[in-house]
Amino acid sequence: SQTIHQWPATLVQPVGSPLSLECTVEGTSNPNLYWYRQAAGRGLQLLFYSVGIGQISSEVPQNLSASRPQDRQFILSSKKLLLSDSGFYLCAWTPLGDTQYFGPGTRLTVL
Amino acid sequence: GENVEQHPSTLSVQEGDSAVIKCTYSDSASNYFPWYKQELGKGPQLIIDIRSNVGEKKDQRIAVTLNKTAKHFSLHITETQPEDSAVYFCAPSKGGSYIPTFGRGTSLIVHP
Repeated sequence: SQTIHQWPATLVQPVGSPLSLECTVEGTSNPNLYWYRQAAGRGLQLLFYSVGIGQISSEVPQNLSASRPQDRQFILSSKKLLLSDSGFYLCAWTPLGDTQYFGPGTRLTVL
Repeated sequence: GENVEQHPSTLSVQEGDSAVIKCTYSDSASNYFPWYKQELGKGPQLIIDIRSNVGEKKDQRIAVTLNKTAKHFSLHITETQPEDSAVYFCAPSKGGSYIPTFGRGTSLIVHP
């Protein structure tokens, strides 16, 4: 069966520091991968998606970037965090653009 | 792109009551209609879905109904329990689309 992992689970970082969040998927190949952010409130904001290695599409211009160095690995990065980057970051995968399978999330607090 | 609206934004019920959440969408080509449940501090999880060739689907206490003509689908929860308290999202899509569109979510509160 397929499993999706995210780490770390929680992170507290100072403003201006770098960020690296990692997501890996097991039990499938060539998944579509997504990064979402969920700020205060309930909405899911799509940040990036990838349909293959090295293929990244950005949905929201900001100081974040994403990379997909391997088929089942998706990384979210920032060179300098802002206060507004605080939130709950979710990675998801989907077979052929269908059901979204979410990871457990990373709670990021920028102080 | 798809325009998705979800109502109500908050729903408060007594244990044992029924709850209904409605999702309207704009793209008539949409053919996949899922509902996700997000418990506090966790990622959303699929609880039920329906495809455009079916009008209703049930799974124990939960059901989804689809009205393609009116472009809306609804989540029905009967005999609600405190553990049903969560945020629920709809996310209609069409085959081959890489970009899902989620509703803004409905916070369901079930009072014991």
